Amino acid sequence: NAGVTQTPKFRVLKTGQSMTLLCAQDMNHEYMYWYRQDPGMGLRLIHYSVGEGTTAKGEVPDGYNVSRLKKQNFLLGLESAAPSQTSVYFCASLKTGTYDEQFFGPGTRLTVL
Amino acid sequence: AQSVTQLGSHVSVSEGALVLLRCNYSSSVPPYLFWYVQYPNQGLQLLLKYTTGATLVKGINGFEAEFKKSETSFHLTKPSAHMSDAAEYFCAVSLNSGNTPLVFGKGTRLSVIA
Repeated sequence: NAGVTQTPKFRVLKTGQSMTLLCAQDMNHEYMYWYRQDPGMGLRLIHYSVGEGTTAKGEVPDGYNVSRLKKQNFLLGLESAAPSQTSVYFCASLKTGTYDEQFFGPGTRLTVL
Repeated sequence: AQSVTQLGSHVSVSEGALVLLRCNYSSSVPPYLFWYVQYPNQGLQLLLKYTTGATLVKGINGFEAEFKKSETSFHLTKPSAHMSDAAEYFCAVSLNSGNTPLVFGKGTRLSVIA
C-alpha cells in the first residue's frame, strides 16, 4: 500500500493563478481532510469529506474549494492564489467506525509570489 | 468547541534527560486525545492516543502520556531523550463521536542537545 500520496510535492505560483492539489489514498478510507501548516500555527483544517460526494468546511476554508468525486481522491483547489496561501498543505485520511489514527500524506509546499 | 494549548513552542533537553511536553485541552464532552510527531520535511505520524480505559497510554519510541481529567491535561513524557527524538510534536483533541475532525495545538519543537 502506498498509503496517502500528494501531488505535487512543491509548487510556485504567481498571485492570481489557479491550481489543484491532489490527494490519493489506497486504504479505502471514508474520511479525508485537507490541512494547512504555517509556522507557529499548528495544523488548521481547511475542508474535509466524510464520504464520496460530500464535503464540509473546516476552520479556514476561504479561498479554497474541494471535490471528492471518487472515494480514493480528494482535490483541493485554489481559484485565485494569494500570498497568504503560501503554506505547507497536508492531506489525511481516516477509516470510519474507528477512532484510530489519521494517516497523513508527505505534504505539498506551495509558494505564492 | 474543543481547543488545545501546548505550553512552550520550543523545548530543549540534554540527551538522556527527561522529556516533558505539555498539553491542556478544552472540551465539553469526554475527548479523544492524540500526540503526533513530525520529523523535518515529513508528514505527521501518530505517537499515541487516548480514547477510553487506562489513563496512562504508552506509544512508540518510548513515549507515554497520562490523561488527567481533573487537570484537563495530556502531557507527553519520555524518561530519557535520544538525539533521534528531535522533531515537532503536536497534541490534538476530538470529540468521541467518530465524526469530528481533530483540533491541533500549535506544536512544540523538541531539540535534543548532545
